[in-house]
Amino acid sequence: DGGITQSPKYLFRKEGQNVTLSCEQNLNHDAMYWYRQDPGQGLRLIYYSQIVNDFQKGDIAEGYSVSREKKESFPLTVTSAQKNPTAFYLCASSIDDGLRTDTQYFGPGTRLTVL
Amino acid sequence: AQSVTQLDSQVPVFEEAPVELRCNYSSSVSVYLFWYVQYPNQGLQLLLKYLSGSTLVKGINGFEAEFNKSQTSFHLRKPSVHISDTAEYFCAVRRYNQGGKLIFGQGTELSVKP
Repeated sequence: DGGITQSPKYLFRKEGQNVTLSCEQNLNHDAMYWYRQDPGQGLRLIYYSQIVNDFQKGDIAEGYSVSREKKESFPLTVTSAQKNPTAFYLCASSIDDGLRTDTQYFGPGTRLTVL
Repeated sequence: AQSVTQLDSQVPVFEEAPVELRCNYSSSVSVYLFWYVQYPNQGLQLLLKYLSGSTLVKGINGFEAEFNKSQTSFHLRKPSVHISDTAEYFCAVRRYNQGGKLIFGQGTELSVKP
């Protein structure tokens, strides 16, 4: 089955700790994205990557970091500098065929709670 | 700057009634338009998208949407809803010349009652 997997589904962390959220896709997509979802605010883009070893900041990158060492993996680290990290985090991917008409496909999400 | 506004945060309807979820966008350039659905504690699933051509777009689960360029709207409709349509719905836009970045609306919570 092709798709996007995110792990873990629920994550708890103490204040001051860094935590890494996993995102893996086997769709052979070039582009990958991280979004943060808060109630009543829709989804906001944190980081995105259009190719291996390259990524760009989204609208709310402060307090987050990413890497893209492999095409199929795009882990997100929530650092202690992120002031309000409790949220639902969604990973997505797309073909990025250059025509800009491709569709983003989403993983099931990780709910992060800071205690 | 472009933005997306979903005009209703919550829409309660009775089963088998028609529903319209409203979405307006602002952009100075051409855009691609999307509607996604999210069931509780799950990721987003694409319902439909407008890229070009016919302004009436049909999607999955009996939903359709109409692109209205003059009113910069992309409202989602279904003639008869089911209990299983209860979910949150997101409208999103992507600028024609801005790669893969999606801008999402705040979401509309559709609640279908028996």
